[in-house]
Amino acid sequence: KNEVEQSPQNLTAQEGEFITINCSYSVGISALHWLQQHPGGGIVSLFMLSSGKKKHGRLIATINIQEKHSSLHITASHPRDSAVYICAVSPGGGADGLTFGKGTHLIIQP
Amino acid sequence: GAVVSQHPSRVICKSGTSVKIECRSLDFQATTMFWYRQFPKQSLMLMATSNEGSKATYEQGVEKDKFLINHASLTLSTLTVTSAHPEDSSFYICSFTGAGNEQYFGPGTRLTVT
Repeated sequence: KNEVEQSPQNLTAQEGEFITINCSYSVGISALHWLQQHPGGGIVSLFMLSSGKKKHGRLIATINIQEKHSSLHITASHPRDSAVYICAVSPGGGADGLTFGKGTHLIIQP
Repeated sequence: GAVVSQHPSRVICKSGTSVKIECRSLDFQATTMFWYRQFPKQSLMLMATSNEGSKATYEQGVEKDKFLINHASLTLSTLTVTSAHPEDSSFYICSFTGAGNEQYFGPGTRLTVT
């Protein structure tokens, strides 16, 4: 069973700061997902990674397969980025469900 | 991206009753859908994998006779919580896998059993 660890669990920062959230997992995977969960519970998929780096707007996600580690970065953070960010791994493609980290609760203060 | 709907979004029921949650993919045909639950301040946990036209596969510790899953079509999967108890109160969320293995999540259903 894959163990997915995220850090930090909670993060409060000022608007404009550069944010980094880390994720490590214990067993090899086919893909890693970064998700955003809003207070009402709804989940939005931000990235799916199997190698390298992806960028979407102010969000950047990287993964190091050898080290079993991924990071999510937010540049020029804004209060609307406040949410829970969840790392999840997929063991073997789309036929398998995800294993989730506990999430990072991010608050960006104006 | 694909759109997934869930109904109801919130339900309160009495202990001992059954509750059905529907998950629909609105613009995508999904052979495989997943059901997860999330207890307060805990991570999401996979409950079962729902395959269209066949029996669902349940994770260890999830009672298949209590959580009935039906994936009768490529756009609809249902989860029925039978004889619900207060400990079943949780946030239930479905997802399916897109063509490129990306995940599309429903908005979730918050179940409260009194």
